[in-house]
Amino acid sequence: DAGVIQSPRHEVTEMGQEVTLRCKPISGHDYLFWYRQTMMRGLELLIYFNNNVPIDDSGMPEDRFSAKMPNASFSTLKIQPSEPRDSAVYFCASRGGAFAEAFFGQGTRLTVV
Amino acid sequence: AQSVTQPDIHITVSEGASLELRCNYSYGATPYLFWYVQSPGQGLQLLLKYFSGDTLVQGIKGFEAEFKRSQSSFNLRKPSVHWSDAAEYFCAVGEASGTYKYIFGTGTRLKVLA
Repeated sequence: DAGVIQSPRHEVTEMGQEVTLRCKPISGHDYLFWYRQTMMRGLELLIYFNNNVPIDDSGMPEDRFSAKMPNASFSTLKIQPSEPRDSAVYFCASRGGAFAEAFFGQGTRLTVV
Repeated sequence: AQSVTQPDIHITVSEGASLELRCNYSYGATPYLFWYVQSPGQGLQLLLKYFSGDTLVQGIKGFEAEFKRSQSSFNLRKPSVHWSDAAEYFCAVGEASGTYKYIFGTGTRLKVLA
């Protein structure tokens, strides 16, 4: 398996634009997580899914953020409209079972100017 | 809710010296615990994990960690550090029931002097 695949690796966008980050989890994994990493706040859990269903979205900072998982092999994190303070590295991770370790993608570095 | 504290933001050691990175957790039940490493520009890679059983856990790259329930700690150790160990290290705690989510500490950045 190629691991967790995220795209794009880098995204630069202007304030106010819509941004969509994509994630393909490892095949067979039933949990998918979206994290945001910044120098100030470290690694924050934004939302996670189990069997494509959102379980906990309490970490989503505000209504500008939304995440979907239409099927077991694909998830998106959307920011609309984007703001400079959204600049961060966004990681997707997946795991196969409640007690398994999580495998992380390479991350998407988002810069909002 | 569970939480993780990594009290050391930065640690510098000389190559060949021993290393201990601290991790304290807060969780009402028996947690499951992880250490991950992140090299610059990369995602997080699992070093080791503790679910139950032997409290001394061996991981990859010569790392080990010890679970101490009485101290709510899960410190990471390595007897002899290599220059390639320079990275950021994250401790994480997972819920063993309920939402089963992971919470990460703020990380410890390790610098290795030649």
